[in-house]
Amino acid sequence: AQKITQTQPGMFVQEKEAVTLDCTYDTSDQSYGLFWYKQPSSGEMIFLIYQGSYDEQNATEGRYSLNFQKARKSANLVISASQLGDSAMYFCAMRSPSGGSNYKLTFGKGTLLTVNP
Amino acid sequence: KAGVTQTPRYLIKTRGQQVTLSCSPISGHRSVSWYQQTPGQGLQFLFEYFSETQRNKGNFPGRFSGRQFSNSRSEMNVSTLELGDSALYLCASSREGANVLTFGAGSRLTVL
Repeated sequence: AQKITQTQPGMFVQEKEAVTLDCTYDTSDQSYGLFWYKQPSSGEMIFLIYQGSYDEQNATEGRYSLNFQKARKSANLVISASQLGDSAMYFCAMRSPSGGSNYKLTFGKGTLLTVNP
Repeated sequence: KAGVTQTPRYLIKTRGQQVTLSCSPISGHRSVSWYQQTPGQGLQFLFEYFSETQRNKGNFPGRFSGRQFSNSRSEMNVSTLELGDSALYLCASSREGANVLTFGAGSRLTVL
C-alpha cells in the first residue's frame, strides 16, 4: 500500500529565509510521481512541483525545489526566500503507479507553514 | 484559461438529506477525480471518472456516488447524509497522459 508521511505538523520561518518541509513515502511500484500542493485558508489546492521516480534531476519551479532522495524514499520541498504569502498548509502527495489510468493521489497529513515578518 | 470550477462553494444540509456537488474541469481535461478532506482523516480519494466511466474508486460507502457527462463535467452525490460527511470536497481534473492534477476551490459541506 502507498503511504506518505509528513512528520512536521507545523513550521515557522522568517521572511526571506529558506525552509525545508519533509516528506517520506512508501510504495512498491517502480514508477511513481511525487507532488507538492499548497492549500491556503481559502481551501483551493495549488500545484507547486512534480518529481517523477525516473527523473534524474531534482525538480525546480521558481522558488520551489524538490530534494529527491530515492534510496531514502524522501521528497522534501525547499522554499527559498520565504514570503508572507507562503503561509499555508503544504501537502506532499504520491501517484503510484504513475501513468496509465491511475489518477489517484495519496496525500500526507500536511505541514502548516507560518512565515513571520 | 478557466480553472476547475466547483459549485456550490458552501452548503448546509441536515442529517438524512442528500446533496449533489458539481465540478467543471479545465477545457480539454477528460479525467475528473474527487477527494474528501476532513480534519480527522485528511485527504481521501473518492473516485475518478474518464469518458463517462468510473475508473477508480476509493474506500467509501455506497452512499457516495458520482457520474460524468459527455462534456466531462462531473457530479458527485451523497445520500442519507451523516454528521461525519461534513467536509471539504475537492475536485481535480487532468489531461490524459499528464502528470499534474489541477484542483478546484472545493465545496464545503456542513451537515447539521
